[in-house]
Amino acid sequence: SQQGEEDPQALSIQEGENATMNCSYKTSINNLQWYRQNSGRGLVHLILIRSNEREKHSGRLRVTLDTSKKSSSLLITASRAADTASYFCATDTGANSKLTFGKGITLSVRP
Amino acid sequence: SQTIHQWPATLVQPVGSPLSLECTVEGTSNPNLYWYRQAAGRGLQLLFYSVGIGQISSEVPQNLSASRPQDRQFILSSKKLLLSDSGFYLCAWSQIHTGQPQHFGDGTRLSIL
Repeated sequence: SQQGEEDPQALSIQEGENATMNCSYKTSINNLQWYRQNSGRGLVHLILIRSNEREKHSGRLRVTLDTSKKSSSLLITASRAADTASYFCATDTGANSKLTFGKGITLSVRP
Repeated sequence: SQTIHQWPATLVQPVGSPLSLECTVEGTSNPNLYWYRQAAGRGLQLLFYSVGIGQISSEVPQNLSASRPQDRQFILSSKKLLLSDSGFYLCAWSQIHTGQPQHFGDGTRLSIL
């Protein structure tokens, strides 16, 4: 079953704008991770936020986690055309680092 | 550094034929290994995971099986493919400690005719 649900399903923005993607989940987690997938390729890990963390930064990425609302957001600042990809959130409930992925968000950044 | 290799990149097979997809990891020892399937426009469905040689856990009942004959080798197999087995298959590894990210191969696009 898919625990994470991303919102929106698709997002189209202009280069330079910020992109915000949201993820909601249903059960308690150890951590939540965001991945990126370019068309026809494997997933690339972007950032991991633990259940006791509220915010984390990595370059142009900012991730927040609200465990009371069971939600997370991924913000990409100053987007570039190269950021065009699908983005997935994945929840880790602690068993053998098994992850449950959402269906993903398709981000298109127009040059 | 660690790398993961997955092959072949694409595969076209007739219904009823056997399947063998291979995944190997370099640069790490005793990793957790995972097989996922991704349907078009969908998220990833975990098929199998392994925490050690010969230790395979199946997540969903299906026409596929997995084996781990060596520490860093993970194989996905089928004796007779079904049309519904078409999809994008991804192998991944993670460190054995809990709360670790997963690292993915480039996937195999499997088309069943």
